[in-house]
Amino acid sequence: RKEVEQDPGPFNVPEGATVAFNCTYSNSASQSFFWYRQDCRKEPKLLMSVYSSGNEDGRFTAQLNRASQYISLLIRDSKLSDSATYLCVGDVNNAGNMLTFGGGTRLMVKP
Amino acid sequence: NAGVTQTPKFQVLKTGQSMTLQCAQDMNHNSMYWYRQDPGMGLRLIYYSASEGTTDKGEVPNGYNVSRLNKREFSLRLESAAPSQTSVYFCASSLSGSGMSTDTQYFGPGTRLTVL
Repeated sequence: RKEVEQDPGPFNVPEGATVAFNCTYSNSASQSFFWYRQDCRKEPKLLMSVYSSGNEDGRFTAQLNRASQYISLLIRDSKLSDSATYLCVGDVNNAGNMLTFGGGTRLMVKP
Repeated sequence: NAGVTQTPKFQVLKTGQSMTLQCAQDMNHNSMYWYRQDPGMGLRLIYYSASEGTTDKGEVPNGYNVSRLNKREFSLRLESAAPSQTSVYFCASSLSGSGMSTDTQYFGPGTRLTVL
């Protein structure tokens, strides 16, 4: 089992739709989680950190479910500019410096 | 602030050739990282440097060496390139290297390397 696993997609959704991605992780002791966004042929950029209580940033909501060992990202009112690959990231080795990246979920928002 | 810069942007090597990928950050960050990204594999950590003067192996260090030249610069060297090292290489930096939720990693634009 991969340490951080994501559905690669692609998720094809119309503008205005709500879309959710899940990501599972293998180490129940993991503490820190993040969602990064990566545009085609560009570097990853932090979208948001994921806190135990869940957190929201505008149209984006991140949730952590420790019992089932998964994190989620919900995007409401999708925009064309949301089209990108979303990377789930965690410190599954509890090693501070060594974050583990999932393979990414590709989102395509259509007009 | 330029953030994290990498050179070169593209490189084609023949098997057995050597090269050094350069990375620099101007954010006064303590920790720096080298990743490779292959299709469907996600980013995998090659080496990291928690602070100036220290380096440690990541998940896939074989075939690579690194140098933390000073606080700003962290280079990655391929001594004898192999086709399996064809990849996109990203350098990143973070303030503390703690891995905590507040310790964002900032990435450079990447180097696309092809080994023939």
